[in-house]
Amino acid sequence: GESVGLHLPTLSVQEGDNSIINCAYSNSASDYFIWYKQESGKGPQFIIDIRSNMDKRQGQRVTVLLNKTVKHLSLQIAATQPGDSAVYFCAESHSGTYKYIFGTGTRLKVLA
Amino acid sequence: DSGVTQTPKHLITATGQRVTLRCSPRSGDLSVYWYQQSLDQGLQFLIQYYNGEERAKGNILERFSAQQFPDLHSELNLSSLELGDSALYFCASSVGGTTYEQYFGPGTRLTVT
Repeated sequence: GESVGLHLPTLSVQEGDNSIINCAYSNSASDYFIWYKQESGKGPQFIIDIRSNMDKRQGQRVTVLLNKTVKHLSLQIAATQPGDSAVYFCAESHSGTYKYIFGTGTRLKVLA
Repeated sequence: DSGVTQTPKHLITATGQRVTLRCSPRSGDLSVYWYQQSLDQGLQFLIQYYNGEERAKGNILERFSAQQFPDLHSELNLSSLELGDSALYFCASSVGGTTYEQYFGPGTRLTVT
């Protein structure tokens, strides 16, 4: 069946370093991908998205890379800060279904 | 603050009971989505409504139902509750049915005892 997964359940990085969170997806028909951040006790917060006609998209301190050949998605956070500590989810969807499939999440811990 | 509101914040009930969770989308948003988040299964898409009509269904149990009212608020009804239904339930909204950026509410934590 369709699935979205993450390679690393927990990622610890030093403050100021760059973070890379990875995600694999299995549905080659998915054409839209989203990264969400969820802080403890709060709902998921949209970070950045990318459509399948792009390979890279940059936001403020974040970059999403999409490799359709190997069905891999990554989120890069530059100069990681303590406020970046959270669980990060990737999600995929196909424009014809309106459904969203979320990965199980990666916990990012920023070490002082 | 995403602009999406959910009530109640917490709900404790017994097995076999029925509860209703409420969601008010952001002003101007026509789509409402419901998700269940549990420790062992992550964030699961349940159902989507667009302007009062059901648009997509995910892994929603037959014991669960939802609706979106003319004022665009939505309710998720959970009946014959089981211990395994204990979870966080999130509502999200977006401007249109095909606009992908979703804004999530703070969630309702349901505990079934």
